[in-house]
Amino acid sequence: LAKTTQPISMDSYEGQEVNITCSHNNIATNDYITWYQQFPSQGPRFIIQGYKTKVTNEVASLFIPADRKSSTLSLPRVSLSDTAVYYCLVGPEDTGRRALTFGSGTRLQVQP
Amino acid sequence: DTGVSQDPRHKITKRGQNVTFRCDPISEHNRLYWYRQTLGQGPEFLTYFQNEAQLEKSRLLSDRFSAERPKGSFSTLEIQRTEQGDSAMYLCASSPDRTEQYFGPGTRLTVT
Repeated sequence: LAKTTQPISMDSYEGQEVNITCSHNNIATNDYITWYQQFPSQGPRFIIQGYKTKVTNEVASLFIPADRKSSTLSLPRVSLSDTAVYYCLVGPEDTGRRALTFGSGTRLQVQP
Repeated sequence: DTGVSQDPRHKITKRGQNVTFRCDPISEHNRLYWYRQTLGQGPEFLTYFQNEAQLEKSRLLSDRFSAERPKGSFSTLEIQRTEQGDSAMYLCASSPDRTEQYFGPGTRLTVT
């Protein structure tokens, strides 16, 4: 499994754009990048997945450069409710069919 | 569809006692996972069921731990002779097939 490295914590203010970068230098050819979000006292939830270039959904955008050795999760105009831990996972696309390996994640604190 | 539910949400027990947790997955999800999460860390995989068959167990799952999914619906995780190191959040997740895993709110275990 490719090892991932992401910042331990980040602080932001409401209304700002937040970018969380994940390094995965040893990503394999068939690996996808998946991000999960975990609110306090809740289980993680899937937010976005991508293989290359850019993916966007109603929650976030995921930017993946051509070499795929890193990726950036972008949260537009964060609010207090975006305070959570964000996990970057690297592995096969079908995250519903296998055990997931989580790192320590990035703890995002959004201030008013 | 009410999501993954877990019971109890909190459990305090004395060292040496046995505890059992229950997970009810989303209806018709054939895959069910158990994870353990300690403070400041991401979830760690414990075991995985496809229908009633237990297909994978982590080395974290010592002999004191046992999990069942007798009819391919709900699952139970039992810890015998609890130790203080067992104190953690125990998370259950389910998935229908290739898609993401849907996590429950977890059971927080405190061993005194």
